[in-house]
Amino acid sequence: AQKITQTQPGMFVQEKEAVTLDCTYDTSDQSYGLFWYKQPSSGEMIFLIYQGSYDEQNATEGRYSLNFQKARKSANLVISASQLGDSAMYFCAMRGRYSSASKIIFGSGTRLSIRP
Amino acid sequence: EAGVAQSPRYKIIEKRQSVAFWCNPISGHATLYWYQQILGQGPKLLIQFQNNGVVDDSQLPKDRFSAERLKGVDSTLKIQPAKLEDSAVYLCASSLERGIWETQYFGPGTRLLVL
Repeated sequence: AQKITQTQPGMFVQEKEAVTLDCTYDTSDQSYGLFWYKQPSSGEMIFLIYQGSYDEQNATEGRYSLNFQKARKSANLVISASQLGDSAMYFCAMRGRYSSASKIIFGSGTRLSIRP
Repeated sequence: EAGVAQSPRYKIIEKRQSVAFWCNPISGHATLYWYQQILGQGPKLLIQFQNNGVVDDSQLPKDRFSAERLKGVDSTLKIQPAKLEDSAVYLCASSLERGIWETQYFGPGTRLLVL
């Protein structure tokens, strides 16, 4: 069975510091995709970054990067130079190959609060 | 490009009543998803459509929940009758296809409160 674990319910970080949000996963699929989404208090889910299981390079999108360690089954999100607008819930998600019974699953989230 | 549209944004009903939510995906997106997000939790996939066919509805409580996507475009999710534990945000998302690399784009959600 697939599983996503986010062990940090909440984090406080000083503005302009870097922050790492942890995500570990478990799957029997050989091919899978890992995603991070941001959910501000307004409720919409905003896509941040994607990492494929066969990608050799860690994904980067602006201030976001994904520290992908396949052997450890971890896909941590790194936000560089945090900003006040980064305060939100962050969800790690995984989807398996469409031909299997793998579901799309989300972790329980981490609430990030940026201090001025 | 217009995003995923959902309506209504908010709904308050009493238990045992019925309710329906509507979703219009991004134009050209073949895959549509409905999620339930209970307060303090991550979204849980209820049902996934590919065009107008169901790909996965294994977590849909079929005794009270139903969903359709008749013409392969917009979709409705219905709850009949509602229970207190159905209070949640119902999120609709769409993606071009359903490969593992496909990014899902979410609508603003419908917040349901069952009293």
